[in-house]
Amino acid sequence: EVHLLESGGGLVQPGGSLRLSCAASGFTFTTSAMSWVRQTPGKGLEWVSSISHSGGSTYSADSVKGRFTISRDNSKNTLYLQMNRLRAEDTAVYYCAKDLRLYDGGGICDYWGRGTLVTVSS
Amino acid sequence: DIQMTQSPSSVSASVGDRVTITCRASQDISSWLVWYQQKPEKAPKLLIYTASNLQTGVPSRFSGSGSGTDFTLTISSLQPEDFATYYCQQANSFPYTFGQGTKVEIK
Repeated sequence: EVHLLESGGGLVQPGGSLRLSCAASGFTFTTSAMSWVRQTPGKGLEWVSSISHSGGSTYSADSVKGRFTISRDNSKNTLYLQMNRLRAEDTAVYYCAKDLRLYDGGGICDYWGRGTLVTVSS
Repeated sequence: DIQMTQSPSSVSASVGDRVTITCRASQDISSWLVWYQQKPEKAPKLLIYTASNLQTGVPSRFSGSGSGTDFTLTISSLQPEDFATYYCQQANSFPYTFGQGTKVEIK
């Protein structure tokens, strides 16, 4: 059974940093592209960042480019999102998601974690 | 960025009703359209990908159609467990973008 478990969320002041982790199990992590998607309270969904199976290719939304970095450790079956220079508008539930298509993926998220809440506030 | 517009934003329906949700892309996305279902306090769940392919385990009362810029999600006979919010998402090009959601409520 596919399982994705996010951790690392919490309350942080504007300008601060957080690192989210997503522990994956139940599938071959090393051949799977992965993504982070966020959802602001009471609002819709926003794709944040994606990474290919090897980590060789990454893509990020303009709203986080230069501040957030997606990475992965295939030896630990873990996905990361390093978030720097956080802003109030980054407050959201952050979901880790597995891509349906192997290797480079393609934006079709077939499994999602339960999410971790990030609150940016002074 | 490709804008995704869903309609209606909410719909009230009864068990057994046929429900149709539409999604329009601001430019041609071929068949790179995905539908998700989300229930309160839960993560989204993949229903349909590439416009019309039903994800494994999803009931056959769900169907999707369309290509280019106009897409439809249909629930043929609404069941109690289908009351939720539905999102479309384009998977044609980065940045992937979502519709604003359609809430299916009990009439």
